[in-house]
Amino acid sequence: AQSVTQLDSQVPVFEEAPVELRCNYSSSVSVYLFWYVQYPNQGLQLLLKYLSGSTLVKGINGFEAEFNKSQTSFHLRKPSVHISDTAEYFCAVSAPSGGSYIPTFGRGTSLIVHP
Amino acid sequence: GAGVSQSPSNKVTEKGKDVELRCDPISGHTALYWYRQRLGQGLEFLIYFQGNSAPDKSGLPSDRFSAERTGESVSTLTIQRTQQEDSAVYLCASSKNEGGYGYTFGSGTRLTVV
Repeated sequence: AQSVTQLDSQVPVFEEAPVELRCNYSSSVSVYLFWYVQYPNQGLQLLLKYLSGSTLVKGINGFEAEFNKSQTSFHLRKPSVHISDTAEYFCAVSAPSGGSYIPTFGRGTSLIVHP
Repeated sequence: GAGVSQSPSNKVTEKGKDVELRCDPISGHTALYWYRQRLGQGLEFLIYFQGNSAPDKSGLPSDRFSAERTGESVSTLTIQRTQQEDSAVYLCASSKNEGGYGYTFGSGTRLTVV
């Protein structure tokens, strides 16, 4: 079975500063990796995903993530954050080939952007 | 429809009553998932449907919880004899086959047991 660890429960940052939200996973088979964002009182929205190919994945709202197989990580980055990026961010992993189709989610990281 | 639709959006019920939550997935999405999100917590997997295969019920927390889905259409999650610890947001997601296109979530049903 796969698992996901989001190392930071909360990340405060000032507007226009860069940010990195960390995610590590464990799986014995190849994985799909996802980052989702959840704004207050809303459902989850897909930011980006890694299925195969290039390890640097670009998503919506200026976010990107890099898949590092040797470190089993999929950290999310943005070079300059906005107040509107304040939200909960979830990393998820699934392993459709030989593992589980069911995505496992991390506990979430609350990004708080200060003016 | 264009997105995953869940109803009701909010439900307040008395302890001991039964509740039924509905999820209408995106047309053509064979896979459907139910998750529970307690306040300030991550997503807890409940149940997974894939086409006409037997559902994966491994995440259901007790026998008070059950879910049905007819083919690739609407799913209902039923909680019998609700308890206060059942209070949470119940999220439904759907995906094409194995999820390589990502999982599309509904806005959830906020259940409050008083």
